[in-house]
Amino acid sequence: NAGVTQTPKFRVLKTGQSMTLLCAQDMNHEYMYWYRQDPGMGLRLIHYSVGEGTTAKGEVPDGYNVSRLKKQNFLLGLESAAPSQTSVYFCASSWTSNQPQHFGDGTRLSIL
Amino acid sequence: GESVGLHLPTLSVQEGDNSIINCAYSNSASDYFIWYKQESGKGPQFIIDIRSNMDKRQGQRVTVLLNKTVKHLSLQIAATQPGDSAVYFCAAGGASGGSYIPTFGRGTSLIVHP
Repeated sequence: NAGVTQTPKFRVLKTGQSMTLLCAQDMNHEYMYWYRQDPGMGLRLIHYSVGEGTTAKGEVPDGYNVSRLKKQNFLLGLESAAPSQTSVYFCASSWTSNQPQHFGDGTRLSIL
Repeated sequence: GESVGLHLPTLSVQEGDNSIINCAYSNSASDYFIWYKQESGKGPQFIIDIRSNMDKRQGQRVTVLLNKTVKHLSLQIAATQPGDSAVYFCAAGGASGGSYIPTFGRGTSLIVHP
């Protein structure tokens, strides 16, 4: 039972490069989320999805795009990476908004 | 919206002591509250949750207390062990059928000294 799997685990990018972070869950959850975690800032919601084919903005959506083409996958894209996007990114999933979220182990992204 | 804050960024305790981690929320419409534990290098892990129709809920060595009057909740860990050392987050959200996504606090780092 894998739960929530994030790929890659680590990545270093140059400013202006693009990349996609992949999140996969095997629990048939409807809700999926992308967060970023910076020192002293806790978890901040970037985008979320309440079901296949839907996406919505969170607290800090600028500079990111997402897609949920399949229920089990939630992709986070950076079109033109900036140093301010250096962070640890976490994906999570849950049955509904008022059920516990299950988190992946994060993607550590550095942008030079 | 909702803002969630923790009273102390760091809490140091001795092994065997009881630990209390506090959290405050701002939105009186919040009715679902969750505590997570995050160990170094890992994602947050669910510990316990409580809904607004309860004041107290107990798990294994953990108790969550909710005071809706002052919009405060706490996590109590009994007989704290070195393995409890981690960052603890509370989150507050709504359960009224909408997509009221929980908001996370900034976390309290619990340090357990042997």
